[in-house]
Amino acid sequence: DGGITQSPKYLFRKEGQNVTLSCEQNLNHDAMYWYRQDPGQGLRLIYYSQIVNDFQKGDIAEGYSVSREKKESFPLTVTSAQKNPTAFYLCASSSLTAETEKLFFGSGTQLSVL
Amino acid sequence: GQNIDQPTEMTATEGAIVQINCTYQTSGFNGLFWYQQHAGEAPTFLSYNVLDGLEEKGRFSSFLSRSKGYSYLLLKELQMKDSASYLCAVKDSNYQLIWGAGTKLIIKP
Repeated sequence: DGGITQSPKYLFRKEGQNVTLSCEQNLNHDAMYWYRQDPGQGLRLIYYSQIVNDFQKGDIAEGYSVSREKKESFPLTVTSAQKNPTAFYLCASSSLTAETEKLFFGSGTQLSVL
Repeated sequence: GQNIDQPTEMTATEGAIVQINCTYQTSGFNGLFWYQQHAGEAPTFLSYNVLDGLEEKGRFSSFLSRSKGYSYLLLKELQMKDSASYLCAVKDSNYQLIWGAGTKLIIKP
């Protein structure tokens, strides 16, 4: 079955530590996205990529980094510069040629600080 | 600035009908999406409106009025499994998605 897979489901970060969230899709989608979800707020875009080896900053990119070495993969690193990392992180993908360009989401990663 | 407004929480009874409203103020408009999100899970696509009018899909319908900056999601014959958050999102003139904070819908027996 085609889909988008995020791992791990839960992640804990220690002070000063970088952590990486995995996102893989087998939908053959060109575009991939990382969102952050906090209680009581709308989804906020961290980074997005529309083609391999290229990505763009979203609204809240500070303290995060990404790579897009393969079409299927778009990992997100939460660096120690991100002072408030506790949130639910969602990865998504979309086809740039489909009429609606609707997003397909992974199941999310809940990141907490120890 | 750009803004999407939705009620924070709504309560309805199993078997009834509920309407969740969404008003938006964005720089341009290139479509409006509704997603459903159960607690701790991924959002899933429900509907897409780009022209004025009503789009019906089974128990769920979505309405759009571009002149009023207004949409609603109508859920009929409510079931307990419809308890979830419903997210409204608008694609602006730069084709970027602007998200509302979501409406938590509680269904009571």
